[in-house]
Amino acid sequence: EPEVTQTPSHQVTQMGQEVILRCVPISNHLYFYWYRQILGQKVEFLVSFYNNEISEKSEIFDDQFSVERPDGSNFTLKIRSTKLEDSAMYFCASIETVHGYTFGSGTRLTVV
Amino acid sequence: RKEVEQDPGPFNVPEGATVAFNCTYSNSASQSFFWYRQDCRKEPKLLMSVYSSGNEDGRFTAQLNRASQYISLLIRDSKLSDSATYLCVVNPVRAGGTSYGKLTFGQGTILTVHP
Repeated sequence: EPEVTQTPSHQVTQMGQEVILRCVPISNHLYFYWYRQILGQKVEFLVSFYNNEISEKSEIFDDQFSVERPDGSNFTLKIRSTKLEDSAMYFCASIETVHGYTFGSGTRLTVV
Repeated sequence: RKEVEQDPGPFNVPEGATVAFNCTYSNSASQSFFWYRQDCRKEPKLLMSVYSSGNEDGRFTAQLNRASQYISLLIRDSKLSDSATYLCVVNPVRAGGTSYGKLTFGQGTILTVHP
């Protein structure tokens, strides 16, 4: 069964450092997403990406965040200057239709 | 009012029990509705989509009441392996009627099934 691959599975970074979280969506999917889940809290939408541009973003997705699809297969989330409160699980997802979400297994980001 | 609201539980039930979860949503224009399951520190996985006519998948039955903006999930004959967090999820519609597939999640309801 096709899957969404995320790397790394766990990243520890110092506050103020830049991090890039990587995702390989399912190849024939057209819509890509990043979500995050702070420990003990609900899953929150960050951004959706379609046709090589952001289609929607949440209030969380401020100027510190950016997304890119640099080579037609990878889909990355960059956080420019990490803060302690960025510590969370970050899930990438891709879909053909809204009834067919496939989430990656996530990257646990720990900011120290 | 929260966009998607669930009773967080926890629900502790014996094997074989029937358990029901409820959920309300605030955006009356929401298009699509789902129940997801999430195991500890894992990604959410789709359990079932929820349709207006109600739908069943084995031991799981989902209901949607658009007028009341209410969604339910019934699990019959609970198994130990059903222990997880159950997420009520809605695909809201933006002003103007567009949707790019964004999902809005509830807080989740924790279920523990014990022997």
